[in-house]
Amino acid sequence: GAVVSQHPSWVICKSGTSVKIECRSLDFQATTMFWYRQFPKQSLMLMATSNEGSKATYEQGVEKDKFLINHASLTLSTLTVTSAHPEDSSFYICSARDWESGANVLTFGAGSRLTVL
Amino acid sequence: AQSVSQHNHHVILSEAASLELGCNYSYGGTVNLFWYVQYPGQHLQLLLKYFSGDPLVKGIKGFEAEFIKSKFSFNLRKPSVQWSDTAEYFCAVKFWKTGNQFYFGTGTSLTVIP
Repeated sequence: GAVVSQHPSWVICKSGTSVKIECRSLDFQATTMFWYRQFPKQSLMLMATSNEGSKATYEQGVEKDKFLINHASLTLSTLTVTSAHPEDSSFYICSARDWESGANVLTFGAGSRLTVL
Repeated sequence: AQSVSQHNHHVILSEAASLELGCNYSYGGTVNLFWYVQYPGQHLQLLLKYFSGDPLVKGIKGFEAEFIKSKFSFNLRKPSVQWSDTAEYFCAVKFWKTGNQFYFGTGTSLTVIP
């Protein structure tokens, strides 16, 4: 089945630095990937829709200059948290849909836990 | 705006008890419905989905869900839970009129006591 890989799974950084998280579709092409943020004991909050070859679509309230998304190829999308602050500490999850399989379901990465000191 | 609500935030059951988790969504035309499960320390996995046809759908690990269109509901059920079912359960809805977006409920934490 479709597999989505996220890297790193866990990262600690100092306040003010930038962190890049990668999301790869391993055995399928994903023209669209989704980035979610999950707070403890809460649901997934859609941050943005990453579109291959074009600009990402951000949800209301999500700062596009802070959360930079690049979808450079059909199998890779990256989320860069710029000038990270402690309030950015969270669990970030990406997902993608394997359109070719016709399954029309989201496959999720394992998530990346970001801790900003 | 589209929304998905899960009424039970935390459920505690003994093994062999029956489970029903509620999920309701706001009206929004044609929908696809999903239940995802997140086991401790693992990523989200699809339990089951409904696109069309028989409103009673069966998923993995003995789970099933029933789509009741008139009630905008898609409740998850399992006749007899096991300790290994301890996890976080998320209902998700794709509203066709909003395109690709999936909307998730707030999740239900299920703890099964051996």
